[in-house]
Amino acid sequence: EIVLTQSPGTLSLSPGERATLSCRASQSVSSNYLAWYQQKPGQAPRLLIYGASSRATGIPDRFSGSGSGTDFTLTISRLEPEDFAVYYCQQYGSSPRTFGQGTKVEIK
Amino acid sequence: EVQLVQSGAEVKKPGESLKISCKCSGYNFTSYWIGWVRQMPGKGLEWMGIISPGDSDTRYSPSFQGQVTISADKSISTAYLQWSSLKASDTAMYYCARRGYYVTSGYFDFWGQGTLVTVSS
Repeated sequence: EIVLTQSPGTLSLSPGERATLSCRASQSVSSNYLAWYQQKPGQAPRLLIYGASSRATGIPDRFSGSGSGTDFTLTISRLEPEDFAVYYCQQYGSSPRTFGQGTKVEIK
Repeated sequence: EVQLVQSGAEVKKPGESLKISCKCSGYNFTSYWIGWVRQMPGKGLEWMGIISPGDSDTRYSPSFQGQVTISADKSISTAYLQWSSLKASDTAMYYCARRGYYVTSGYFDFWGQGTLVTVSS
């Protein structure tokens, strides 16, 4: 099973700042099959990025994904008030599919 | 519009059985796999398993194999998650979610609103 480790656990930033979230896999993620989700309190997760770098439908271009192999990054170029949430990565290159433990982006 | 609408919150006692549902609409139900994801209180997401509604092909995470059963009824475009004997540790929010169309699209592009299951004596 591929273990995904996200860092940092919590990121304290101000609106307008850049957020950089990391997702590291215990082994290489096949074909860079990695997705990112956003979850706000009391809501279901929302798909942001798939295939490591492709934005899902309707996702603003301030969200971008990068990386390959075992190291992946989600970048939010300029934080908007609605971006403060928990972010999860998920790999779907190997079975069983697995999620990271999440990174909380909070207002500083 | 794609929608996944889950059944309401449940409060059960240990040892009881339960089946929760996920009604899908706005797309061809049999063309997309439906998965289930657990979120225990204050914790992260856990991938439980997935079903192809067209032929009921089902895959489980080893952590959930034998603990739950995933099924689907294509006549009413509904997927299910069931337990035969609940434990207190099953207390969690459960989400259903639609997998991307292609075999290689293992991400979840649409999600239900979640069903809160509380198991307490």
